[in-house]
Amino acid sequence: QKEVEQDPGPLSVPEGAIVSLNCTYSNSAFQYFMWYRQYSRKGPELLMYTYSSGNKEDGRFTAQVDKSSKYISLFIRDSQPSDSATYLCAMSAGNQFYFGTGTSLTVIP
Amino acid sequence: GAVVSQHPSRVICKSGTSVKIECRSLDFQATTMFWYRQFPKQSLMLMATSNEGSKATYEQGVEKDKFLINHASLTLSTLTVTSAHPEDSSFYICSARHSPNEKLFFGSGTQLSVL
Repeated sequence: QKEVEQDPGPLSVPEGAIVSLNCTYSNSAFQYFMWYRQYSRKGPELLMYTYSSGNKEDGRFTAQVDKSSKYISLFIRDSQPSDSATYLCAMSAGNQFYFGTGTSLTVIP
Repeated sequence: GAVVSQHPSRVICKSGTSVKIECRSLDFQATTMFWYRQFPKQSLMLMATSNEGSKATYEQGVEKDKFLINHASLTLSTLTVTSAHPEDSSFYICSARHSPNEKLFFGSGTQLSVL
């Protein structure tokens, strides 16, 4: 079983839609949870960072962590064509980071 | 957010030559840096973990003599691909761990093409 599971998509939505991206994990020791956005041939960009369970909002982005279910989510409101990218979830325990495979998102104008 | 600078962004070299890629944390000290390889439409593949002042820890299957990693200071790690061959062509990305908030920041990546 992989440490982190993420549906690779691809996911295609119309502009203005709400996007929901999800990851599940198996290691209860994970304490830090991150979402990255990666454009083609670029390094991943840190979007959201949360510690332990709860919600965090930043503009159009909301990150949710449910440690009891080992489930994290990223919501994108009012999606824009510029949001088209691959989204990677990540989590860490100590000095080790684990990544999902990434979900490819296309927002259609 | 913190900035990690990676150079060069693109390099084309002949088979048999060595290529050095630099990764710098510009506004923070990074005791730990990571090097990844990424193939098209695939996720990040961790190659090695680099700790300042000590030898890098390589993942299983990664040749340490081929991919030399040096982390001589708290802001600089280098990856040298020695005697590069066409099969080494790939997108290489570094990241730096920001203590104490445990955030991980990435460089912009290096596209290596070996002819």
